[in-house]
Amino acid sequence: SYVLTQPPSVSVAPGQSARITCGGDNIGNKGVHWYQQKSGQAPVLVVFLDSDRPSGIPERFSGSNSGNTATLTISRVEAGDEAAYYCQVWDTASDQGVFGGGTKLTVL
Amino acid sequence: QVQLVQSGAEVKKPGASVKVSCTASGYTLTDYYIHWVRQTPGQGFEWMGIVPPSGGSRSVAQQFQGRLTMTRDTSTNTVYMDLSSLRFDDTAIYYCARAPRWYFDLWGRGTLVTVSS
Repeated sequence: SYVLTQPPSVSVAPGQSARITCGGDNIGNKGVHWYQQKSGQAPVLVVFLDSDRPSGIPERFSGSNSGNTATLTISRVEAGDEAAYYCQVWDTASDQGVFGGGTKLTVL
Repeated sequence: QVQLVQSGAEVKKPGASVKVSCTASGYTLTDYYIHWVRQTPGQGFEWMGIVPPSGGSRSVAQQFQGRLTMTRDTSTNTVYMDLSSLRFDDTAIYYCARAPRWYFDLWGRGTLVTVSS
């Protein structure tokens, strides 16, 4: 089955940019979606189809996808961005959803 | 308000079944896909299955085939997830999620299912 690999943790100071990666075999050929999950809450979609943002999501959240790596970038990080972030794709070979293991973003 | 409202927490014994409901509010159930996803501390997120807008053929992840049944009641805008032959490692938070297609733009708040003897 298709595997997505994320770093367990990323730390960044307020006001700086955070980059969270999601690795997968030729992931650039798939649509990648990103979710934010704050402690004790349900996930929220922050980026879909590599780089689109749902309404209500700040422009500070952006995404890119090429080769074997997709990246979620959070610019001008705020304390309220502290959460776990998960990437997700649809694996057409197995016809099922696949999630990365998640990255805990800590705002220093 | 557009939301998915899930049923409350459950405690079940090994071998039993659990049925979780997910009621769509503020939009029509048949306009979107509904997926079921679970989250465990050890395994993270696991995709379980999908109910298409037509309510037709429902795809189930291989690891749940034979144990997972998904149904829906369009009169109440509700989808149900029934997981049978519960094991200890089925202890998890179960989410329903709305999907235009392959990504989840609206999630329920989750239902904690605890399997304990």
